[in-house]
Amino acid sequence: DVKVTQSSRYLVKRTGEKVFLECVQDMDHENMFWYRQDPGLGLRLIYFSYDVKMKEKGDIPEGYSVSREKKERFSLILESASTNQTSMYLCASAEDRGGEQYFGPGTRLTVT
Amino acid sequence: AQKVTQAQTEISVVEKEDVTLDCVYETRDTTYYLFWYKQPPSGELVFLIRRNSFDEQNEISGRYSWNFQKSTSSFNFTITASQVVDSAVYFCALREFSGSGNTGKLIFGQGTTLQVKP
Repeated sequence: DVKVTQSSRYLVKRTGEKVFLECVQDMDHENMFWYRQDPGLGLRLIYFSYDVKMKEKGDIPEGYSVSREKKERFSLILESASTNQTSMYLCASAEDRGGEQYFGPGTRLTVT
Repeated sequence: AQKVTQAQTEISVVEKEDVTLDCVYETRDTTYYLFWYKQPPSGELVFLIRRNSFDEQNEISGRYSWNFQKSTSSFNFTITASQVVDSAVYFCALREFSGSGNTGKLIFGQGTTLQVKP
């Protein structure tokens, strides 16, 4: 079974803090994704990566950056957290771009 | 532009009832994939099914079945004899094969919250 883990289930941070969300997958997948999920807006793609050290912007990259130094790990960075980044963050991985994406349990981030 | 619409925001049924979740999509691509995911209260999205645009055969997996009709751009999901454990948010998603689809990007619908009462 594919296993995607995220470093925290719940996180509370203050405005202006730098925040790191970590995602690890154990299936040697090349493709990894970061989404945020908000009520009424569904899931929106923030960034994705199709190889180590490669990254591409999704639909809403502003205020975020990512890092992929190892194949199994994809980190989402909030350079200076703001209250409008309070959300559920979901990481996913896929063997190939056409394949199904497997999701982690999510991190519910609150920025106060 | 690609788009996925799940018009039913919330559905409530009593256990053992059958329930159908609707999904309508828009795409200009002739090659695409459709997906259904389940998100239980725990929050993790669980993959249920993938369908490619060239395969219009309906699929059945236990109490779950899917009806794909290209003529109406629909990919509906039916749960037969629903159970309380089926209570979750269900998402339909589209991935195109060209353009932005090369990224593997999924376009999600807004989700349908299904509540199954005992």
